[in-house]
Amino acid sequence: DAKTTQPTSMDCAEGRAANLPCNHSTISGNEYVYWYRQIHSQGPQYIIHGLKNNETNEMASLIITEDRKSSTLILPHATLRDTAVYYCIVRVGSGGSNYKLTFGKGTLLTVNP
Amino acid sequence: ETGVTQSPTHLIKTRGQQVTLRCSSQSGHNTVSWYQQALGQGPQFIFQYYREEENGRGNFPPRFSGLQFPNYSSELNVNALELDDSALYLCASSLDGGYYGNTIYFGEGSWLTVV
Repeated sequence: DAKTTQPTSMDCAEGRAANLPCNHSTISGNEYVYWYRQIHSQGPQYIIHGLKNNETNEMASLIITEDRKSSTLILPHATLRDTAVYYCIVRVGSGGSNYKLTFGKGTLLTVNP
Repeated sequence: ETGVTQSPTHLIKTRGQQVTLRCSSQSGHNTVSWYQQALGQGPQFIFQYYREEENGRGNFPPRFSGLQFPNYSSELNVNALELDDSALYLCASSLDGGYYGNTIYFGEGSWLTVV
């Protein structure tokens, strides 16, 4: 019952920006969008999250459309170490302390030299 | 470094046995969730604890149970292990209350193999 849709895989050249899209057309008003990535055999690494405003941190930028039905994660200068599965997740729950993250299959981003 | 530590990192159990996995949440985090990730799949929500009470559960049978302690660390217990329980078990922690958008951090997981 994942609430997001992502491409199965994407390629990006090293040094270029990687733009990973995500559709979440059924998102509700107080549901946040979270992005994680996972390198094989490791735990998911938090990247960024947001509600309706664009967000930026030291790892990435998150652009959320005005209608909140889609978002794009931007890695400004991709490196080989950014090769991973990227998950776009809508946080679902009835309260601040009652929630779950429903993971889909994510996007395998491959950064090529 | 997320501040979420899990133990053991790897273990092998025999079908029918019981296992306990442990999670130490990031300092001050009062909410702990557990996820199961089978090979090639995304993590699946097992259950969540908030201030020592279970307050959410996914589609897992009762032989999956848990505890949260006063210091907010947590245990996941699985009884009567089956071969399909072989997976990476992930713990996630956050500081929650009325705010819906806190950062949620995952540990590196415990790899369980059932033979």
